[in-house]
Amino acid sequence: DTGVSQNPRHKITKRGQNVTFRCDPISEHNRLYWYRQTLGQGPEFLTYFQNEAQLEKSRLLSDRFSAERPKGSFSTLEIQRTEQGDSAMYLCASSRFGGRTDTQYFGPGTRLTVL
Amino acid sequence: GESVGLHLPTLSVQEGDNSIINCAYSNSASDYFIWYKQESGKGPQFIIDIRSNMDKRQGQRVTVLLNKTVKHLSLQIAATQPGDSAVYFCADQEGGSQGNLIFGKGTKLSVKP
Repeated sequence: DTGVSQNPRHKITKRGQNVTFRCDPISEHNRLYWYRQTLGQGPEFLTYFQNEAQLEKSRLLSDRFSAERPKGSFSTLEIQRTEQGDSAMYLCASSRFGGRTDTQYFGPGTRLTVL
Repeated sequence: GESVGLHLPTLSVQEGDNSIINCAYSNSASDYFIWYKQESGKGPQFIIDIRSNMDKRQGQRVTVLLNKTVKHLSLQIAATQPGDSAVYFCADQEGGSQGNLIFGKGTKLSVKP
């Protein structure tokens, strides 16, 4: 199965630490999205890439959040100086824009707990 | 702005019965809608999608109905099984070429054996 993968699956950190999550999309997909999901809510869009270009980042929650996709394949999401309010599930999705449909397929997520 | 919401937060059905999960959207310009299933601790799983030029689309045991007049979307699951127990989200693709999804809060479906 070559679906979207995310690592780590779980991350526990102390407040003030930096964390980085990785997403590997489906190989032929050119778009990659990051979402955040808090308990009892639907996913909330953060940012997305088309190939290596980050086309939307105004929805990132603060300047402590940043994302990269340097070679247009995997992507990383970094949170600096974590706060307890950052505790959530971070989801990655990928799609093939320009095809018949632009269906987004999600990975399993990284659950972040900030103590 | 756009909003996608669900009518009921929880739904409990008997195994073998049909389930209907409803969703309302507010942006009349929305042209693409997707239903996802999310099991506990997992990412959303694509179920079925529909474009605004259609009013019905069928998959395996699932049917999505779109009523553009009242801006309403529904997901019908036939012969519901215990494995269908999950939270179901409808999502609307934000207008333009950006493609990011706007999700509602979800409906939790519980299937009683």
